[in-house]
Amino acid sequence: RKEVEQDPGPFNVPEGATVAFNCTYSNSASQSFFWYRQDCRKEPKLLMSVYSSGNEDGRFTAQLNRASQYISLLIRDSKLSDSATYLCHASKLTFGTGTRLQVTL
Amino acid sequence: GAVVSQHPSWVICKSGTSVKIECRSLDFQATTMFWYRQFPKQSLMLMATSNEGSKATYEQGVEKDKFLINHASLTLSTLTVTSAHPEDSSFYICSAKTGSLSGANVLTFGAGSRLTVL
Repeated sequence: RKEVEQDPGPFNVPEGATVAFNCTYSNSASQSFFWYRQDCRKEPKLLMSVYSSGNEDGRFTAQLNRASQYISLLIRDSKLSDSATYLCHASKLTFGTGTRLQVTL
Repeated sequence: GAVVSQHPSWVICKSGTSVKIECRSLDFQATTMFWYRQFPKQSLMLMATSNEGSKATYEQGVEKDKFLINHASLTLSTLTVTSAHPEDSSFYICSAKTGSLSGANVLTFGAGSRLTVL
């Protein structure tokens, strides 16, 4: 089993929709989690960290479920500019395969 | 914010030649940098951890004699792909720790280097 797993997608959603991604991790000792965004042929950029209590940044909400060992990213009111691949990052420098989001008109 | 500069952004070379990729931290010192490889539609795979002034730590399955890493200063790490072959064609990305959130290390990435070996 991979340390960090994500549904690769693509998730095709219309503009304005709400979309959620999950990322499961196998190492119960993992302490820190992040979501990165990667545009096509570009480097990943930090989107947000994931706190145990859940955290929100504008249209983005990240949550951690330790019992089930997954983290989630919720995007509300999707914009065309949200189209990208979203990588989850667990501690010890392990990344998920990424989930590709395509927002359409 | 912190910037990690990576060069070249893309390179095409003949099979059997060696290619050097540079990763520089601008306006900050990076005692540790990380090198990743990413194949199309796949995730970032950590290749090695580059430590300033000491030997790099390679991940399992990564040939240290093929992927030479040098971290001679606090602002520069280099990755040399020796005797490159077509299967080495990939997107190589470096990163450095540039912050901390709740005790966890935040990474800033270089723009990546796309290597094509003919």
